[in-house]
Parts: sequence; C-alpha cells; structure tokens
Amino acid sequence: DAKTTQPPSMDCAEGRAANLPCNHSTISGNEYVYWYRQIHSQGPQYIIHGLKNNETNEMASLIITEDRKSSTLILPHATLRDTAVYYCIAVNTGTASKLTFGTGTRLQVTL
Amino acid sequence: DTGVSQDPRHKITKRGQNVTFRCDPISEHNRLYWYRQTLGQGPEFLTYFQNEAQLEKSRLLSDRFSAERPKGSFSTLEIQRTEQGDSAMYLCASSPRSTGELFFGEGSRLTVL
Repeated sequence: DAKTTQPPSMDCAEGRAANLPCNHSTISGNEYVYWYRQIHSQGPQYIIHGLKNNETNEMASLIITEDRKSSTLILPHATLRDTAVYYCIAVNTGTASKLTFGTGTRLQVTL
Repeated sequence: DTGVSQDPRHKITKRGQNVTFRCDPISEHNRLYWYRQTLGQGPEFLTYFQNEAQLEKSRLLSDRFSAERPKGSFSTLEIQRTEQGDSAMYLCASSPRSTGELFFGEGSRLTVL
C-alpha cells in the first residue's frame, strides 16, 4: 500500500472547520483513501473513504485532488469530542485489507 | 452492544508469564484482525483470519505469539513467556468483506512488569 504523510499535529477552534491534509503521492489506481480516527484509549473508528470523487457522510467530507496525490478530511463544525488522532491510509481492497497506520495527525479542538 | 468486544481490557503480568486475550467479533463478520499499538504509534498489523483460516501473519508475530479462531467465531491471542517489550495495546477488528472499513474493539492493554 502507498505511504501517506500527515502533519503530526493541528489545532482547531470549536465550531470552526477542521481541515486535515494527507499526501499520498505514490498511490496506485486501485487504492482507496481511508480515514480513521482514534480517541484517547479507544480503538480506531472508521470515518470515510474515497477513490476519486469527493465524498460526504454524516461525520465528515473527503476531498481528493484530481491527480489523487493528496486529500483533505474536513470536519465542518469541530467539537471538543473531535479531539483525536486522525489516520489517513491508502488501501488496496482487493487484497486482505491489512491497514497500514502511520502516526497520524493529532487534532486538538479548543474552546 | 453488538460491537467488537475484547477481554480483558487490562492485564498486568510479570515477565515470563503467559497471557491470553479474547476477541468476539461482530456477528457474521468472517474477517478478523489483530493489531498491536505502542505509545505514540499507530496500530501495527499482527495477523488476519478469514473464517477459521489464518491467512496472513506479520513478522512482528514472533514464535511466542499464537492466534486462533476456532469455528470462525471468537479469536484468542496468546503470548507465551512475556517480555517487557510486549507491553502494548492489543486491538481486534472485524469486517464482513474485503474492505478497508474495519470495526475495532476497545483493545486489551497489556503491562509486563
């Protein structure tokens, strides 16, 4: 699976949009971009995934650049409960779906 | 609660002892994964089952580690002769198909003294 690169940490004010970037310049055509988050002392939680098109669900939006070399996870109105480590992962779902987590981005939402 | 459950949530043991963790996946999920997570790091893949067959093992899974999934339902992860370097959170996840959407449990935290 392609390697992903994320900033180690970010801050966001409560109520504002949190935009978390991810670089995946070596992603191949059959690899999806998946996002997970991990709140302290809990297991990782799936957020959203996409291949080429932008995606939106009740938790977040995912914007993937046209060349697929980078993406941005958007939490439209961050709350304190969104404070977590966010992982961007490139996944070839044709294989065993083994996820390769990096160190992620620690998002701190503040009042 | 119909999520992935893991037991025990916390285990403290002395070096050299054996420990066993249990994972109950979401019902009818035929794929089950074990991961290990140390402080400040992302989860690392250990092994993967499809039904009762163990299809992939990481090089991280030394000879002291063994995982089973009898009858394709719950799974156990045993660590023999524990070492201090085994201290970590052991995470279990399940999924119903080949997809990147895994459902993780809360984890079992191991502390080896």
